[in-house]
Amino acid sequence: GQQLNQSPQSMFIQEGEDVSMNCTSSSIFNTWLWYKQDPGEGPVLLIALYKAGELTSNGRLTAQFGITRKDSFLNISASIPSDVGIYFCAGGGSSNTGKLIFGQGTTLQVKP
Amino acid sequence: NAGVTQTPKFQVLKTGQSMTLQCAQDMNHEYMSWYRQDPGMGLRLIHYSVGAGITDQGEVPNGYNVSRSTTEDFPLRLLSAAPSQTSVYFCASSYSRSSGANVLTFGAGSRLTVL
Repeated sequence: GQQLNQSPQSMFIQEGEDVSMNCTSSSIFNTWLWYKQDPGEGPVLLIALYKAGELTSNGRLTAQFGITRKDSFLNISASIPSDVGIYFCAGGGSSNTGKLIFGQGTTLQVKP
Repeated sequence: NAGVTQTPKFQVLKTGQSMTLQCAQDMNHEYMSWYRQDPGMGLRLIHYSVGAGITDQGEVPNGYNVSRSTTEDFPLRLLSAAPSQTSVYFCASSYSRSSGANVLTFGAGSRLTVL
């Protein structure tokens, strides 16, 4: 089946540093999404991308939908302690039925 | 506006017991789905529904049943629990409008342990 490879698996950074994570796939996706999960909670949508090449920002977060439609990246600038959590990428197919394929997640820890 | 509500938050079962995880949404979303989250594996789709009376299997459907009698509710049933079903379960919903259908809103999760 379809798989997403998300990297890195974990990151431990200093407050104020920039962070970059990415997802790659052997399959084409119609939609790329980035979610954040806090401990004991469900994933919360950060950014949704709908077109190849699209670059979208949400505050200190920036994400891009790869030109080949097989990859996406998420950047976080000037990290702060509340950025701690697990970040997931997800790809949605052209059927648009809400069936997403998720990456394995990137665990981010920020040292004050 | 509660969004997606899951109950219970925690449950411990013995092998062979049955139970139902409840999911309700108040956003009038057409699409609903169930995912399970296991360490290092992201979220995997169990079952999904595109409307009342319509359900289909996802990536890991074995051992689970679903039905969708109303737009609001989408319960997940474990018929005979097994230790391999120990996981955190998430219910999600979305609109059926084009690529917006892929923008899921998740509940807070139900943590299930099967002994």
